[in-house]
Amino acid sequence: GENVEQHPSTLSVQEGDSAVIKCTYSDSASNYFPWYKQELGKRPQLIIDIRSNVGEKKDQRIAVTLNKTAKHFSLHITETQPEDSAVYFCAASMGNDYKLSFGAGTTVTVRA
Amino acid sequence: DVKVTQSSRYLVKRTGEKVFLECVQDMDHENMFWYRQDPGLGLRLIYFSYDVKMKEKGDIPEGYSVSREKKERFSLILESASTNQTSMYLCASSWDRDWNTGELFFGEGSRLTVL
Repeated sequence: GENVEQHPSTLSVQEGDSAVIKCTYSDSASNYFPWYKQELGKRPQLIIDIRSNVGEKKDQRIAVTLNKTAKHFSLHITETQPEDSAVYFCAASMGNDYKLSFGAGTTVTVRA
Repeated sequence: DVKVTQSSRYLVKRTGEKVFLECVQDMDHENMFWYRQDPGLGLRLIYFSYDVKMKEKGDIPEGYSVSREKKERFSLILESASTNQTSMYLCASSWDRDWNTGELFFGEGSRLTVL
């Protein structure tokens, strides 16, 4: 089945700096790559997603890039703010059997 | 605003007990899912359902079963709880008919402790 690896597991950044989280996937048939944010004690929520027909997508301070050849995708957060502190999960759809597989998560801490 | 409601936020059960976790969504979503969340392991799919009375195994179905008698309700059942089932359980729903690409709307989670 699909295997999604996510790095780093923890990330501490100074407020205003950028944060980058990287994920790799194993199934070349995967075609959908969402990112979810989970604040402490809250439910995960979709923040951005990308499909395999595009290489980059932006939404204000967040962006996702996809390299299908290398089978990896990344989340970029610019000008980080305290409210960006959360656990971020990447995910990939498996294509043939339609399962959404999640990475292990990255705990991001933004230092004031 | 989509609402996915899980019946219990915290449960404590004993080994061997039967456990029911209930989930209700109010947006007429076709698809419903049960995930298990453990530190360092992310979210792992237990079971999902794309229609009433339909169910499909996810990645870790062993020790679990599900029931979907009505479109809005999806129940997770632990027939005989074991200590390794202590975890946070998240229910989710999605509308998109191309369901593997639809946004998942999660409930608040049910933290189960099995003693």
